[in-house]
Amino acid sequence: DADVTQTPRNRITKTGKRIMLECSQTKGHDRMYWYRQDPGLGLRLIYYSFDVKDINKGEISDGYSVSRQAQAKFSLSLESAIPNQTALYFCATSDLYRDTQYFGPGTRLTVL
Amino acid sequence: QKEVEQDPGPLSVPEGAIVSLNCTYSNSAFQYFMWYRQYSRKGPELLMYTYSSGNKEDGRFTAQVDKSSKYISLFIRDSQPSDSATYLCAMSAARNTGTASKLTFGTGTRLQVTL
Repeated sequence: DADVTQTPRNRITKTGKRIMLECSQTKGHDRMYWYRQDPGLGLRLIYYSFDVKDINKGEISDGYSVSRQAQAKFSLSLESAIPNQTALYFCATSDLYRDTQYFGPGTRLTVL
Repeated sequence: QKEVEQDPGPLSVPEGAIVSLNCTYSNSAFQYFMWYRQYSRKGPELLMYTYSSGNKEDGRFTAQVDKSSKYISLFIRDSQPSDSATYLCAMSAARNTGTASKLTFGTGTRLQVTL
């Protein structure tokens, strides 16, 4: 089984809808991250959490919110989706002392 | 100017060629350097991890860091069609607390190895 899982893998929605993307991990890592990836722009950090009680904004947090329900679960919400939020979204994890991050398989989100 | 610059490619090489992928960076605090490989429609996977300057070899892959020039490279020897992917460099700063820092990624270079 994959160490970092994301659901759904693909989602098509309409402008104005609320969307939740979910991430679960079995690596036992404390730190979790949400990124979006766009052609030509690379990976951009949306939010990150260094433990269950710690939530931090990344470089592009506007229009997004997150919830860290447990050490193993980190959800990303789009409160009112807009077309320029169409992108590939990745969850990642890392442990406390190493910078290396481990990525999930991604969610392809299309907002019409 | 971005903190990390990476040529997007695409880079097309014949099977068996030596591939050189590069990133430059501007933040002198970066101490930890990584290369990730990302196949189409998949998440990035860690390929190489190096600390500070020098070389690190793992099979057909060699990672090289030149901190004086703020330049890192990934070399792939005897390239194979299965190496066709996007390669992202990533780096993080030294930390005072002993705990890990966030990563800054390059935009990725798309590599195509042809038969």
